[in-house]
Amino acid sequence: GENVEQHPSTLSVQEGDSAVIKCTYSDSASNYFPWYKQELGKGPQLIIDIRSNVGEKKDQRIAVTLNKTAKHFSLHITETQPEDSAVYFCAASSRGTYKYIFGTGTRLKVLA
Amino acid sequence: SAVISQKPSRDICQRGTSLTIQCQVDSQVTMMFWYRQQPGQSLTLIATANQGSEATYESGFVIDKFPISRPNLTFSTLTVSNMSPEDSSIYLCSVALGTEQYFGPGTRLTVT
Repeated sequence: GENVEQHPSTLSVQEGDSAVIKCTYSDSASNYFPWYKQELGKGPQLIIDIRSNVGEKKDQRIAVTLNKTAKHFSLHITETQPEDSAVYFCAASSRGTYKYIFGTGTRLKVLA
Repeated sequence: SAVISQKPSRDICQRGTSLTIQCQVDSQVTMMFWYRQQPGQSLTLIATANQGSEATYESGFVIDKFPISRPNLTFSTLTVSNMSPEDSSIYLCSVALGTEQYFGPGTRLTVT
């Protein structure tokens, strides 16, 4: 069945450094790829997304890249800050299904 | 985006009992979803709840255990029936706005 692999499971970076989280999906029909940030005790928050017709999208310090051929997409956070510390989830969805397949999550720690 | 609230935010229940979780959204939405997030794990879709139709359950989840109501376009409930300690999880509702999903804050359930 559909599967989304996410790496790494944990990531520690120094404040100001960049962080990269990678996901690989199995369903070639997937065409929408959101990223969520979940802080302790809260629900997941949509932070950025990308659709299959573009290769990159940027929003301030956050960017997402998509390689459809290789079926992988990545989240890039630049100039990390302590408030970026959270668990990040990637997901993949196929056209018309509205169902998300989530990755296993990455716990990001930004060290001050 | 959408503002989503859930009640209760947390509860401790005894095995064999049932708990009903409420999800309220601040705008009318067609599609609502219920997820389970076990401690330290990713999100697993329980069911899709569209107003005016029966909920659609994912593999491994059955209506007798997780009955869902969707009486109108802004509200849904999920009941966790005949609970066991294995049901201890965070239960999240989400709504679809186009291809994007927005999540509530979650209900943290502990079964003793």
